[in-house]
Amino acid sequence: DGGITQSPKYLFRKEGQNVTLSCEQNLNHDAMYWYRQDPGQGLRLIYYSQIVNDFQKGDIAEGYSVSREKKESFPLTVTSAQKNPTAFYLCASSPGQTPGEQYFGPGTRLTVT
Amino acid sequence: DAKTTQPTSMDCAEGRAANLPCNHSTISGNEYVYWYRQIHSQGPQYIIHGLKNNETNEMASLIITEDRKSSTLILPHATLRDTAVYYCIVRGRGSTLGRLYFGRGTQLTVWP
Repeated sequence: DGGITQSPKYLFRKEGQNVTLSCEQNLNHDAMYWYRQDPGQGLRLIYYSQIVNDFQKGDIAEGYSVSREKKESFPLTVTSAQKNPTAFYLCASSPGQTPGEQYFGPGTRLTVT
Repeated sequence: DAKTTQPTSMDCAEGRAANLPCNHSTISGNEYVYWYRQIHSQGPQYIIHGLKNNETNEMASLIITEDRKSSTLILPHATLRDTAVYYCIVRGRGSTLGRLYFGRGTQLTVWP
């Protein structure tokens, strides 16, 4: 089955710790994205990558880092510099020729206390 | 990318058509209208998109007015599983990849 997987579904961390969220896709899509969603709000773009070994900041990149060493994988690290890390994190991918058609993973709900 | 305006919430009886409106009065000629939906605590799901012609797929129909300033997503026979937040997004063909702006959308509730 083709799709996007994110793990874990729920993640709990203490304040001051870095945490890495996993995102893997087997759709052979060129582009991948990370979004953040807070309760009752829409999605906000954190980082995106159009090609391996290249990525760009989105609207709220501060306190986050990413890597794109493989086409299938786009992990997101939430660093201790992120002031309000508790949120629902969504990863997506899209084919290069239709970037508006994004396919989302199930999300990771991160709680930092 | 043009801004969109959607009602905060709507409801619909199961089996009836759900018509979700979206205003995008500042849309420009090369901007597409996309619709996504998000079921509670899940990732959004792409539904359909269009430029100026009406579009239909297995999930829904998209009706875009002739002046392109508004559109309507139609779910022809709503089911309980269609209860979700529906997002209308306008995106330029030349927009930077990844630039999909998700607002708060419309909460559609389908009741039995």
